[in-house]
Amino acid sequence: NAGVTQTPKFQVLKTGQSMTLQCAQDMNHEYMSWYRQDPGMGLRLIHYSVGAGITDQGEVPNGYNVSRSTTEDFPLRLLSAAPSQTSVYFCASSSPPPGDYGYTFGSGTRLTVV
Amino acid sequence: AQSVSQHNHHVILSEAASLELGCNYSYGGTVNLFWYVQYPGQHLQLLLKYFSGDPLVKGIKGFEAEFIKSKFSFNLRKPSVQWSDTAEYFCAVMVNFGNEKLTFGTGTRLTIIP
Repeated sequence: NAGVTQTPKFQVLKTGQSMTLQCAQDMNHEYMSWYRQDPGMGLRLIHYSVGAGITDQGEVPNGYNVSRSTTEDFPLRLLSAAPSQTSVYFCASSSPPPGDYGYTFGSGTRLTVV
Repeated sequence: AQSVSQHNHHVILSEAASLELGCNYSYGGTVNLFWYVQYPGQHLQLLLKYFSGDPLVKGIKGFEAEFIKSKFSFNLRKPSVQWSDTAEYFCAVMVNFGNEKLTFGTGTRLTIIP
């Protein structure tokens, strides 16, 4: 059981470039989210989805797009990379509440924008 | 908006010492509370969660937490720590299922000295 898989693990971008961070889960979780982790700021929610075809903005959505065409995949797109987007990005998934609710996180993507 | 405070930024303990990490949140209504652990170089793992019922919750690896509504607190405890507990610990609160916004504290770095 792979859990939440994120690719790539590391990425360096130039300012203005675009890219997609991939996230896939094999637990049939309906809920998926993207967070960024910055030193001294904890984790902040970028976008989330409560099911295929349904997405919504989190706390820091500017500069990022998402889509959810399948239950398994939830890619995060950086439209025009900026140095302020240098961060570690985590994807997470969960079953709906209550029961087994509780997010499982992927191993992260470390992104540097130069 | 809700917020989470973890006042201990770095805690250093010797093996076998007892642990208590503080977590306070600001929100006047019903909350759902979580503790996550991030071992060096790894992703976040769910330690325990509280939705309702018994305010003393037990999690994995011998950790427990107590929800004290009057103090807006959800402190994490372990009676006897091990070197392998060296990690960063994050408290998180979710106000409403469905908006899926986990608000994280800034984390507490725990160092266990053998």
